[in-house]
Amino acid sequence: DTEVTQTPKHLVMGMTNKKSLKCEQHMGHRAMYWYKQKAKKPPELMFVYSYEKLSINESVPSRFSPECPNSSLLNLHLHALQPEDSALYLCASSQEQAFPTNYGYTFGSGTRLTVV
Amino acid sequence: DQQVKQNSPSLSVQEGRISILNCDYTNSMFDYFLWYKKYPAEGPTFLISISSIKDKNEDGRFTVFLNKSAKHLSLHIVPSQPGDSAVYFCAASAAASGTYKYIFGTGTRLKVLA
Repeated sequence: DTEVTQTPKHLVMGMTNKKSLKCEQHMGHRAMYWYKQKAKKPPELMFVYSYEKLSINESVPSRFSPECPNSSLLNLHLHALQPEDSALYLCASSQEQAFPTNYGYTFGSGTRLTVV
Repeated sequence: DQQVKQNSPSLSVQEGRISILNCDYTNSMFDYFLWYKKYPAEGPTFLISISSIKDKNEDGRFTVFLNKSAKHLSLHIVPSQPGDSAVYFCAASAAASGTYKYIFGTGTRLKVLA
């Protein structure tokens, strides 16, 4: 299994809703990442988990709450989002957070989030 | 401040010819670079990497060149195939400084014409 699986693929939520994005990998990777990508912009790092511990938080607003229940799973809990949070949310994993690595990240196909 | 720039938002190339995608960076601490390819409705797929100790890395039809003095890297695809049509992102990291964070460029949309 060489994939990162993200669910759901599409999500529409209201500003008062609470929802969660899920990411799963079974490659034995010990680092997992959340990226946000808006249209015609590059992916921007949000969070990094290394060995199930939060290692980097890129000053992300608290309405985004990551969780790493085990080494294969990464969640992103969403609450009280704003319309400007609408974007493609990408999950990625890598063998280790440290470099160098010859293989970069393995990305999931993303969750397209629309906040109404 | 965009530390990694891909100044060509799009590029069209005839099938069989060479595609050259360019990437410039401003941070001299960057020492590890990646290229990713992204199809619509899919996540980015890793293509090829290069460390700053090299100036060239080749993998099949893909070659990445690094010019450290110019802070410039390029991805060459030879020969280009219609299936190469996608958005290509370069990404850079200052690994030696312990900052394991990739900064991505804005992407170049490559269209290979049959």
